[in-house]
Amino acid sequence: AQSVTQPDIHITVSEGASLELRCNYSYGATPYLFWYVQSPGQGLQLLLKYFSGDTLVQGIKGFEAEFKRSQSSFNLRKPSVHWSDAAEYFCAVSAGGGNKLTFGTGTQLKVEL
Amino acid sequence: DTAVSQTPKYLVTQMGNDKSIKCEQNLGHDTMYWYKQDSKKFLKIMFSYNNKELIINETVPNRFSPKSPDKAHLNLHINSLELGDSAVYFCASSQDRGLAGEQFFGPGTRLTVL
Repeated sequence: AQSVTQPDIHITVSEGASLELRCNYSYGATPYLFWYVQSPGQGLQLLLKYFSGDTLVQGIKGFEAEFKRSQSSFNLRKPSVHWSDAAEYFCAVSAGGGNKLTFGTGTQLKVEL
Repeated sequence: DTAVSQTPKYLVTQMGNDKSIKCEQNLGHDTMYWYKQDSKKFLKIMFSYNNKELIINETVPNRFSPKSPDKAHLNLHINSLELGDSAVYFCASSQDRGLAGEQFFGPGTRLTVL
């Protein structure tokens, strides 16, 4: 069965600093990978996704992620964080039948002004 | 013109009661889902329906029963509510049941069982 690990429960960065959120997955074949963001009291919004092809994918709000098969990783990055980026970030993998998303435990991002 | 809507947004009830949460999507999607997010923010899929047919049924107590009257609606009925059912429940939909289908999430329903 597939699984997703987000090693960092909390991350705090200063506004304007760069950001990298880690995600490692476990799955036997090529996975379909996603990053979602959840603002307080809100539902989840898709930031970006990887299916195949170019391993560097661009998403909304200036985010990007890089798929590294050798490291089973799909880390999320942003060159300059804005205060409005403070939220919970979830990495997810879709595998098996029925488009079942398996989520990581999330990383809470705090942005210091 | 909300894409995926849920009602109610908040639900507070006593143990042993029966309650329902409604979900509607106006995206024309074929597949809908229910997820449960616990107090530690962990998200886990509960059910998925494709064109009113149940396709995913995770290990969920049979007190939980999804009902899909049409492909735009997926309701969640919970019998004999327990304290452990307190959580945020998210509905989602996607264009199809394939692995690449982006899922659109509703705003969530926060259920509190007293």
